[in-house]
Amino acid sequence: GNSVTQMEGPVTLSEEAFLTINCTYTATGYPSLFWYVQYPGEGLQLLLKATKADDKGSNKGFEATYRKETTSFHLEKGSVQVSDSAVYFCALSDSGAGSYQLTFGKGTKLSVIP
Amino acid sequence: DAGVIQSPRHEVTEMGQEVTLRCKPISGHDYLFWYRQTMMRGLELLIYFNNNVPIDDSGMPEDRFSAKMPNASFSTLKIQPSEPRDSAVYFCASSNRTKYNEQFFGPGTRLTVL
Repeated sequence: GNSVTQMEGPVTLSEEAFLTINCTYTATGYPSLFWYVQYPGEGLQLLLKATKADDKGSNKGFEATYRKETTSFHLEKGSVQVSDSAVYFCALSDSGAGSYQLTFGKGTKLSVIP
Repeated sequence: DAGVIQSPRHEVTEMGQEVTLRCKPISGHDYLFWYRQTMMRGLELLIYFNNNVPIDDSGMPEDRFSAKMPNASFSTLKIQPSEPRDSAVYFCASSNRTKYNEQFFGPGTRLTVL
């Protein structure tokens, strides 16, 4: 079956530090990959996505590249801000295998301190 | 578009009472998902619908939980009778198959069962 593994949190960084949150996946088909972000007290919001190998998704300074050879989709940002403090979820959708649901990782909590 | 709408945003009830959570998906979306989020278990998919038909309810914890989608613009999740362990944040999300299954989440309903 499909699964998503992301690094355990929490992650605490100082403002302007470099961020990496690791995500690896297992899928039977050719999935689309997503990063969602959840700010305190809110629902999940789509942050970025990539739909095929070597695609790079980007938004708000965050980037992630779909690496089929390593089955990875690591999230990076060059300089984090306090406002980036949130929980980040990696997810996949394997519609080629006939499934239209998302498989989520457990989430990584990021705290950015001034 | 108004996004996914959920009501109520907060619900406090006593054990044994019936609870009904409501969701209005984004217009034109043909998939609707119900999730539950807790600190202990993270984000869990409870059930999802396609074109108002339940497709997979394997995540529904027990017979006390039921979900309906009488039309394309409305869904309910009912818990009867409610128990303290049902306390969680319940999210509704919707998606459109032509958009790589990216899901759009509502703000959630925070349920507290005393």
